[in-house]
Amino acid sequence: QKEVEQNSGPLSVPEGAIASLNCTYSDRGSQSFFWYRQYSGKSPELIMSIYSNGDKEDGRFTAQLNKASQYVSLLIRDSQPSDSATYLCAVNSGTYKYIFGTGTRLKVLA
Amino acid sequence: NAGVTQTPKFRILKIGQSMTLQCAQDMNHNYMYWYRQDPGMGLKLIYYSVGAGITDKGEVPNGYNVSRSTTEDFPLRLELAAPSQTSVYFCASSYGSGISYEQYFGPGTRLTVT
Repeated sequence: QKEVEQNSGPLSVPEGAIASLNCTYSDRGSQSFFWYRQYSGKSPELIMSIYSNGDKEDGRFTAQLNKASQYVSLLIRDSQPSDSATYLCAVNSGTYKYIFGTGTRLKVLA
Repeated sequence: NAGVTQTPKFRILKIGQSMTLQCAQDMNHNYMYWYRQDPGMGLKLIYYSVGAGITDKGEVPNGYNVSRSTTEDFPLRLELAAPSQTSVYFCASSYGSGISYEQYFGPGTRLTVT
């Protein structure tokens, strides 16, 4: 069974700190990696995608991919209370199938 | 550009009733998907479609049916509703599958079967 693993949290960080969210995956053939933010009662919202090893930055968000270690992470700099949400990691192996983790709940404390 | 839209937002069904969840996208995406999300369980794929007239089962298709007569629309039919189908249903779409094909979600339908 191909899986995506995330720590369910909650991960609590103070306002202004860096939040670090981690995800591991089991399928070495995975090609595309995505981070979604999901507020309570809302739908997943795509915030980052990454396809090659290394870092990808977009504003306060940085996605990091290490295919050798089968590890993808999301860093949120200068965390704000509005960043409090569940963050879903998703992986695609080049087919129709996107495999989602169960998410990490982030709480940013004001 | 409305993206992915879903109706209704909420629905309560009695056991044995049927209903259709509507999904539409205006991004000219080929691929469309139906997921259900139960608390703490992540997203489970119900059905997907790679284009008009082509659909296939996902992980949890039992009790559901789909059709795809146009590129834009992908309705999900629940026949003989059961309490196990109480969930939040999300429709999603992407240009295709594979590298760089990002998936976008609709706002969801919260369904309760009693």
